[in-house]
Amino acid sequence: DAGVTQSPTHLIKTRGQHVTLRCSPISGHKSVSWYQQVLGQGPQFIFQYYEKEERGRGNFPDRFSARQFPNYSSELNVNALLLGDSALYLCASSLEGQGVGYTFGSGTRLTVV
Amino acid sequence: GESVGLHLPTLSVQEGDNSIINCAYSNSASDYFIWYKQESGKGPQFIIDIRSNMDKRQGQRVTVLLNKTVKHLSLQIAATQPGDSAVYFCAENTGGTSYGKLTFGQGTILTVHP
Repeated sequence: DAGVTQSPTHLIKTRGQHVTLRCSPISGHKSVSWYQQVLGQGPQFIFQYYEKEERGRGNFPDRFSARQFPNYSSELNVNALLLGDSALYLCASSLEGQGVGYTFGSGTRLTVV
Repeated sequence: GESVGLHLPTLSVQEGDNSIINCAYSNSASDYFIWYKQESGKGPQFIIDIRSNMDKRQGQRVTVLLNKTVKHLSLQIAATQPGDSAVYFCAENTGGTSYGKLTFGQGTILTVHP
């Protein structure tokens, strides 16, 4: 069975650009969450989507946005990239929206130069 | 600052020893806790979880202990193997019943020497 898949695996962008990261959840999972992991730290919560609606949002600026599609896949968008946005972006899916049973993907490594 | 985040606690053990990794959590209202293992270049991998109505839970070679009085979690790994070398994170569900939001601890680097 396919796990959580994320694309692309690596990405290099210039300051001020826009980026879109993609996530496909495990089949049957209705919830997708996004986390940012800066080198040397634990992941930080950005968003959770459940049944195509935003359920929760972390302490991130409005430059960060996301959406979930009818097939439960999700996109994370970041506008006006800053050097500090360089991180590993992780997607996690779960069957329900309560924070249990999360499975993480391998992430997208974003480097902003 | 960023330099603090780079200095993760480390634990170095010999193959076959038992390992204990500790974690302090922040929210006394958290009802669900998880330990994750993260290898280089990969996402966090679920190890074991525990709900707040339990003190102890055992899995295969792993045990999680929860002390709600002092808001402390520990992960015990029996007969540690070189393949256990990774960064270990504890996480608590701080979203309550409304949504799932995991708040992760700092992480501990476990190195197992053959």
